[in-house]
Amino acid sequence: DAKTTQPNSMESNEEEPVHLPCNHSTISGTDYIHWYRQLPSQGPEYVIHGLTSNVNNRMASLAIAEDRKSSTLILHRATLRDAAVYYCIYAGGTSYGKLTFGQGTILTVHP
Amino acid sequence: NAGVTQTPKFQVLKTGQSMTLQCAQDMNHEYMSWYRQDPGMGLRLIHYSVGAGITDQGEVPNGYNVSRSTTEDFPLRLLSAAPSQTSVYFCASGALAGQPQHFGDGTRLSIL
Repeated sequence: DAKTTQPNSMESNEEEPVHLPCNHSTISGTDYIHWYRQLPSQGPEYVIHGLTSNVNNRMASLAIAEDRKSSTLILHRATLRDAAVYYCIYAGGTSYGKLTFGQGTILTVHP
Repeated sequence: NAGVTQTPKFQVLKTGQSMTLQCAQDMNHEYMSWYRQDPGMGLRLIHYSVGAGITDQGEVPNGYNVSRSTTEDFPLRLLSAAPSQTSVYFCASGALAGQPQHFGDGTRLSIL
């Protein structure tokens, strides 16, 4: 099982940075680390993914530990629209893209 | 670009009825999958396909059938609906294993 460990919930204020942690100690060398988020009543939305190096895109940054057993999703300036459940998942290699979703982290953003 | 389209958006069934949830993607993705999400829970994989003619079971396949006759379509069939199958169903597609998956908006299914 591709299990990850995330805090159940986190809170932030609008326009402040948010660091969402994830532990994935059983990740293999060919697995990618993915982050998805799910807004209420919507399907999951891809946020970012990476293999070994830190990654940036227009939505967020992904910081990957050197041993790849943990990662952090960074939202540089949280907005109210960022309030969602954030899922950290690893997939790839022989998993054929099968995503194992945990409970995720519920992010609350305060005005 | 429509992405991943799921129909219907809502459905109510009686126990024992059968139905097919439709999923279509227009991105020429090889990989497609079905998940269910129960209240307050993460998504669980039902079935997946790595290409036309190839399907396999996920974590919770019982009570569901799939087929993949074309790259674009991946229907999910409930053979004899049970109240335990009340859930929100999501279809996803992706280009390759390990690459980002694109999800549909879901089908909300209630079985009485």
